[in-house]
Amino acid sequence: DVKVTQSSRYLVKRTGEKVFLECVQDMDHENMFWYRQDPGLGLRLIYFSYDVKMKEKGDIPEGYSVSREKKERFSLILESASTNQTSMYLCASSRTGFGTSGGQYFGPGTRLTVT
Amino acid sequence: LAKTTQPISMDSYEGQEVNITCSHNNIATNDYITWYQQFPSQGPRFIIQGYKTKVTNEVASLFIPADRKSSTLSLPRVSLSDTAVYYCLKGGNNRKLIWGLGTSLAVNP
Repeated sequence: DVKVTQSSRYLVKRTGEKVFLECVQDMDHENMFWYRQDPGLGLRLIYFSYDVKMKEKGDIPEGYSVSREKKERFSLILESASTNQTSMYLCASSRTGFGTSGGQYFGPGTRLTVT
Repeated sequence: LAKTTQPISMDSYEGQEVNITCSHNNIATNDYITWYQQFPSQGPRFIIQGYKTKVTNEVASLFIPADRKSSTLSLPRVSLSDTAVYYCLKGGNNRKLIWGLGTSLAVNP
């Protein structure tokens, strides 16, 4: 089974802090994704990566950056955390394609609270 | 604006068949439809994926008509453990993913 792990299940940070969320997948998937999930808004794509060192903005990239130095690892960075970034963050990976070939595999999520 | 629309909530009883329909306008030639299930405090889990006509696996069926402007996830004989939120996703190799807002399914005894 594909396993996607995220570094923390719960995280509490202060406004202005730099926050790192880490994601690791163990199935040699090409594509990795970062989403945030908020009540009533569903899943919104922040960034995705289709190869090492390659990244593209999703629908809501403002206030975030990403890093993919190794194929199995995709990091989401909040340069200066703000309270409106309090959310559930979900990482996912997929073999090929962006909606094809067996779908995306999700991690358990990180619930980030910014105070 | 490309959208994926699904009912906010549905109720059912154990043993019934449940059908959840998703409408997706402006579907592109290379778009697939994928359905996910999500339990509280977990990430979504892949259920089924299709392009057109009918796909069936061990947990669900997916019906996509010829015009591909909608899709129906069919869950046969639901149980209490099928209570979850179900998401429809339209996407393809054009790197544009359109998620529905989710359908909260409650299965009652």
